[in-house]
Amino acid sequence: AQSVSQHNHHVILSEAASLELGCNYSYGGTVNLFWYVQYPGQHLQLLLKYFSGDPLVKGIKGFEAEFIKSKFSFNLRKPSVQWSDTAEYFCAVTPRKYSGGGADGLTFGKGTHLIIQP
Amino acid sequence: DAMVIQNPRYQVTQFGKPVTLSCSQTLNHNVMYWYQQKSSQAPKLLFHYYDKDFNNEADTPDNFQSRRPNTSFCFLDIRSPGLGDAAMYLCATREGYEVYLTEAFFGQGTRLTVV
Repeated sequence: AQSVSQHNHHVILSEAASLELGCNYSYGGTVNLFWYVQYPGQHLQLLLKYFSGDPLVKGIKGFEAEFIKSKFSFNLRKPSVQWSDTAEYFCAVTPRKYSGGGADGLTFGKGTHLIIQP
Repeated sequence: DAMVIQNPRYQVTQFGKPVTLSCSQTLNHNVMYWYQQKSSQAPKLLFHYYDKDFNNEADTPDNFQSRRPNTSFCFLDIRSPGLGDAAMYLCATREGYEVYLTEAFFGQGTRLTVV
């Protein structure tokens, strides 16, 4: 079974600061990797995903993440945060299938609560 | 344009009184999931449907059941809620036919309180 570890449970930054949220996973095979964000009172929504190819992926709202296979990591970054980035951020993985159907659920980390101070 | 809709957003139920949470989707996805998220914890998969096939996670208590009468709707039934079942319940959908290309879409969740 897979597991996901997010290093920081609470992060407080000032606007314009740079952000990096750590995520490590454990799984014996290859995985698809995701970052989801949950803004206050809203549903989980996808920030970005990595399935294959270029390990540096860009998502919405200026976020990016880098998959480092040797470190089993998928850290989330943003060069300059805004107050509106205040939210809960979840890293998640699912086993990668290369073809056909399937329904493996996501395994989530515990989340990082990010607060951006004006 | 909500695509995965959960009702109600907040549910209060009495200890031991059966409760049903509902989820509907407009995406026509064949996979639907139920997750339980307790405070400060990761969402935990309870079970999922692939079309009409039900798949229970090994550690999901028997107290939790699910029904999927059609593609659009899925229900979570808690037969005898205990205080430990108070949590946010998340419904998600996913296109499963080419699952290696797809992501999950989530509803806003139902926050269940047990009194």
